[in-house]
Amino acid sequence: AQKVTQAQTEISVVEKEDVTLDCVYETRDTTYYLFWYKQPPSGELVFLIRRNSFDEQNEISGRYSWNFQKSTSSFNFTITASQVVDSAVYFCALSAVNDYKLSFGAGTTVTVRA
Amino acid sequence: NAGVTQTPKFQVLKTGQSMTLQCAQDMNHEYMSWYRQDPGMGLRLIHYSVGAGITDQGEVPNGYNVSRSTTEDFPLRLLSAAPSQTSVYFCASSGRTLWSTDTQYFGPGTRLTVL
Repeated sequence: AQKVTQAQTEISVVEKEDVTLDCVYETRDTTYYLFWYKQPPSGELVFLIRRNSFDEQNEISGRYSWNFQKSTSSFNFTITASQVVDSAVYFCALSAVNDYKLSFGAGTTVTVRA
Repeated sequence: NAGVTQTPKFQVLKTGQSMTLQCAQDMNHEYMSWYRQDPGMGLRLIHYSVGAGITDQGEVPNGYNVSRSTTEDFPLRLLSAAPSQTSVYFCASSGRTLWSTDTQYFGPGTRLTVL
């Protein structure tokens, strides 16, 4: 069985602060994908990143960065110099490589105050 | 491409009523699925389909039916609505790469309230 845990329910920061979202997962699969999705107040789910379990390199995309550590089963997400538009619910998710079914964490609500 | 579309955006039902949530995609994706989102629980898989004529149950299938007669459409039917089915429903679709599944993309969601 797969399980994704996002221990932080809510995070509130002031604009320009950095914020790190934790994601810990459990899986028996040897190959798998990890995902982050963003759900802004408008309600849609926006895909941010997919990472293969083979690739433990950290990734940076603009103000977003992801730290994947297989040894601790974690896939953390950092927003640098946060902005009000980053206010959203962020979901971490997991699937086996050849399985379409996604297992989601409960989500972390990020509020960025001006 | 319109991507994944869902109708309606909002719906209010009375207990015992039935209805169908519509989902369509124009990306020729083989895989489609339905999730429900409840506060504090993330998204949970209701039903999924790996191609026309093939469907299977996810984590929370009770009270819902699906069918997949075409690649494009994957409707979700509530047979007899219950207040516990009050939720936001998301449809998703995905294709494949040469050697694995591809990323799933989600529709805009349907907010359902059952009174």
